[in-house]
Amino acid sequence: DQQVKQNSPSLSVQEGRISILNCDYTNSMFDYFLWYKKYPAEGPTFLISISSIKDKNEDGRFTVFLNKSAKHLSLHIVPSQPGDSAVYFCAASARFQGTSYDKVIFGPGTSLSVIP
Amino acid sequence: ETGVTQSPTHLIKTRGQQVTLRCSSQSGHNTVSWYQQALGQGPQFIFQYYREEENGRGNFPPRFSGLQFPNYSSELNVNALELDDSALYLCASSLAGDGYTFGSGTRLTVV
Repeated sequence: DQQVKQNSPSLSVQEGRISILNCDYTNSMFDYFLWYKKYPAEGPTFLISISSIKDKNEDGRFTVFLNKSAKHLSLHIVPSQPGDSAVYFCAASARFQGTSYDKVIFGPGTSLSVIP
Repeated sequence: ETGVTQSPTHLIKTRGQQVTLRCSSQSGHNTVSWYQQALGQGPQFIFQYYREEENGRGNFPPRFSGLQFPNYSSELNVNALELDDSALYLCASSLAGDGYTFGSGTRLTVV
């Protein structure tokens, strides 16, 4: 049972255009969402996050949108650059009260290729 | 400030053997989470350690076990290795579960 879904395994975008990566989740307990970027032979690196009390968070070229009613989030990269080519993982977290336990569930990833 | 380091980077083991993977946390972090990433999949949560105690576990059998030491470094042990255990094993450290920093992983191949 996959609680975090990324239905596009891959995406190709021209340099300078917008990249839109989508993610859906099934568990309404999730209250914090993250995007990670992974290059080959490296561990995932944190990119941007959003709390469930917000519907948008921006950081430079990266914007994450959250639609709680649809249990959907998306990552927009504008403008896309060749260095953005990587695998992007959507992740969701539920923080439990009184504990430090916040199991983070990852989606299967979307491989983004930005073509020069 | 050092990041998360994992050792070894690559490992080949035979089915039925046991393996120990190691992780040094980022300075100041007290929580370590272990993930298994099979080819073409996202990282799957194995378990988390907080202050030397297991603080949560994913859907992995008991032959996957771990330890966290007083300096917050950690080990992942897998007994009776199976072919399907071949994967990239990722360690992530955090301060009380906030803001994960991942290591580069250990690539385990079981033959």
